[in-house]
Parts: sequence; C-alpha cells; structure tokens
Amino acid sequence: NAGVMQNPRHLVRRRGQEARLRCSPMKGHSHVYWYRQLPEEGLKFMVYLQKENIIDESGMPKERFSAEFPKEGPSILRIQQVVRGDSAAYFCASSPLMGGGNTEAFFGQGTRLTVV
Amino acid sequence: AQSVTQLDSHVSVSEGTPVLLRCNYSSSYSPSLFWYVQHPNKGLQLLLKYTSAATLVKGINGFEAEFKKSETSFHLTKPSAHMSDAAEYFCVVSGTGTASKLTFGTGTRLQVTL
Repeated sequence: NAGVMQNPRHLVRRRGQEARLRCSPMKGHSHVYWYRQLPEEGLKFMVYLQKENIIDESGMPKERFSAEFPKEGPSILRIQQVVRGDSAAYFCASSPLMGGGNTEAFFGQGTRLTVV
Repeated sequence: AQSVTQLDSHVSVSEGTPVLLRCNYSSSYSPSLFWYVQHPNKGLQLLLKYTSAATLVKGINGFEAEFKKSETSFHLTKPSAHMSDAAEYFCVVSGTGTASKLTFGTGTRLQVTL
C-alpha cells in the first residue's frame, strides 16, 4: 500500500505563473488535508476536502488559492499568479473514510515551491 | 478552538542523555494529541498518539509521552538520545468529530551532540 504521493517534489515558478500541486491519498482514504510550511515555521492548515467536497477552507488565502478533490484522480492545490511569499513546502495528508479526531493522518513528502 | 504551545524552539542534548520536548495544549474537548517528527527535507512521520486510552503512550524509536490533563501537557521523552534523533518535532492537537483538522505547534528542533 503506497503512502501519500505528492508531485512534483520540487517546483520552480516565476512570479505571475500558476503552480499546480498534486496529492494522491493512500488507498481507501477519502479525506485529504493541505498544509503549508514556511521556512522555520510549523505547518499551517489550509484546507480539508472529501471527495468532491470542500469541508473546511478556513486556512486558505482568499485570493489566488484553490483546491479540489475530484471523484477520480488526485487532489489538486492550485496557486494562480504566484508571488515570492508563496515559496514554501506544501504538505498533503490523508486519513481513512471514518476520519475523526483520533484518526491518524498520513503525510506525503511535500512539494517545495520556489518562486523566482 | 484548540492550540498547542511548544515551549522550546531548540533543544540540544548529548548522545546517550535523556530527551525532553515540552508541549502544552488547549482544547475545548477531550483532545487527541500527536507527536510528529520531520527530518531535514523530508515529510512527517508519526511518533505516537494519545486518544484517551492509556495516559502514557509509547511510540516508535524509544519515544514516549505522558498525557497530563491537570497540567494540560503532553511532553515527549526518550531515555537516551541517538544521533539519528536530530530532527524537528511537532506537537499536534486534533479536535473531535469527523471534520477535525490537525493544529500544529511551531516545532522544536532537537540537536544531538557527541
């Protein structure tokens, strides 16, 4: 059973371009979470999705950022018109169908976005 | 609302000596608590979790943590540090219910010296 797969591992974008980050959850997991880690900081929650639904997006910036988790395929975190401040590591985590407070979330290796 | 406070941003110990990484939590409900470890440029690995069963939780690589409700603490300990333990450690709290997200502390960087 493969773990949470994120790609690409490293992504370089020029200011103003779009960044697309992909996350394939573990098999059987239908809950996906996205976190952002700025240098020297902890992980900050961005968004929580189930298949085809956004459950909690309280940590998402209001502009330029969007996330989806379609019925088929990976979850996508999309950042439009990237700026230098978007440079960070973006982590995806997944948990099983009956997710809840005591259910472990499994993390991917992260995508390190660098905006130049 | 829930939060965690990691009391030390950096901890340095000598190899073979005990490790103590401190964490205090705040939660409106009975929380679930986790410790994750992150090695440089790697993802996060779960060390251990507390989910209202035994208050002393044993994890991987010799780590353990004790849940103390009266002190709202969940400190991580290891009797004897190894060089391979050098990493960033995150204390994490989760709420209850099916729409729970994890709230991370700011992390403690553990340095292990010879």
